[in-house]
Amino acid sequence: GAVVSQHPSWVICKSGTSVKIECRSLDFQATTMFWYRQFPKQSLMLMATSNEGSKATYEQGVEKDKFLINHASLTLSTLTVTSAHPEDSSFYICSARDLRLAGHSYTQYFGPGTRLTVL
Amino acid sequence: SQQGEEDPQALSIQEGENATMNCSYKTSINNLQWYRQNSGRGLVHLILIRSNEREKHSGRLRVTLDTSKKSSSLLITASRAADTASYFCATDAIDRGSTLGRLYFGRGTQLTVWP
Repeated sequence: GAVVSQHPSWVICKSGTSVKIECRSLDFQATTMFWYRQFPKQSLMLMATSNEGSKATYEQGVEKDKFLINHASLTLSTLTVTSAHPEDSSFYICSARDLRLAGHSYTQYFGPGTRLTVL
Repeated sequence: SQQGEEDPQALSIQEGENATMNCSYKTSINNLQWYRQNSGRGLVHLILIRSNEREKHSGRLRVTLDTSKKSSSLLITASRAADTASYFCATDAIDRGSTLGRLYFGRGTQLTVWP
């Protein structure tokens, strides 16, 4: 099956710093990537949808200036958490789809996640 | 807001027993998917069932879909300790002005299989 990688798998940073998380589709082209965050024992909450070559679409309540998303190519999307604070500590997961496929491939492939801890 | 709701929230069984998890959703869908997540890891796609299908099998997994009741069930037969994980259902809602391709996740069922 298709593989999506994330880097780093975990990161610890000081409050006020910025953290960049990469999401790559390794063996397919992803027209669309999704960024989720997940708190312990909770479900995935969609933060934003990232389309290659265009601006990301953010879900209600998600600050676009705080969570910067760039989808510069069909295999890479990045999420930058700017001026991170302890409340931003969470598990961030990306997923990818290739919506050009006939009938739209419904399967969404998920990365392994990035654990962010802000001290 | 979340589209789906899983039931139960937590399920604890012995190895060899069957595990049944249910999922309800609110709007019309094209398909429903089940995912598995081990603690602290990403999601693994298990099975997809389309809205015109009623039942689907994959190994020890059996999924049913009742669009009239807007519900689905995931049955894991002859469970193993390695099946211990969280299981989520996800749908794509077709009668919302939602982003193409996005999935709506339920809250998940935490399954624990004791050896």
